[in-house]
Amino acid sequence: DSGVTQTPKHLITATGQRVTLRCSPRSGDLSVYWYQQSLDQGLQFLIQYYNGEERAKGNILERFSAQQFPDLHSELNLSSLELGDSALYFCASSARLAGGPVTDTQYFGPGTRLTVL
Amino acid sequence: DAKTTQPTSMDCAEGRAANLPCNHSTISGNEYVYWYRQIHSQGPQYIIHGLKNNETNEMASLIITEDRKSSTLILPHATLRDTAVYYCIVRVGISSGSARQLTFGSGTQLTVLP
Repeated sequence: DSGVTQTPKHLITATGQRVTLRCSPRSGDLSVYWYQQSLDQGLQFLIQYYNGEERAKGNILERFSAQQFPDLHSELNLSSLELGDSALYFCASSARLAGGPVTDTQYFGPGTRLTVL
Repeated sequence: DAKTTQPTSMDCAEGRAANLPCNHSTISGNEYVYWYRQIHSQGPQYIIHGLKNNETNEMASLIITEDRKSSTLILPHATLRDTAVYYCIVRVGISSGSARQLTFGSGTQLTVLP
């Protein structure tokens, strides 16, 4: 158990719909990362938040957005869903608060499997 | 981040040591070598990382060559549960309290055989 939680585990929806994926980082971690894993693309970085602020963007579509809340949990919003958005979505966290060991190591959650029909 | 090259697949007998190689010939002096693994559709699991020196933890050992152009992940006594895709990732370390994303390649599919 990495300490990172993601909900829901599975999500089945239709094209054109909007969904929200939720991630709770490890206690004390300030950074949250979102990754997408589809069959033909492998693990791809989407976006990173650090202490509530967007820090880095990868190949994230304009239909996708994310935010990190004051309690450090994060949500990934996917809208106008297409069949090709079907994938596993992973969240990872890193970087503990001051006073604890600062580490660059990312710990991943169990993922959300999104199926768009 | 430096590019890495790993074999596509490897087999290992249960109970034997699994040695997974990784080439990273363009690695820079401030780049670390990280290893993760992913067991079928589960979240990637951190294994170990290092900069120059060899490292060992409860899961594995990491051997980095003196010129740092390649490394080997060693699972000392492989079990069936170690069957997974293993990713070698090279990237700079932490700075200013922020961290950088991981760039995953194709990895090595390790199959542990009974």
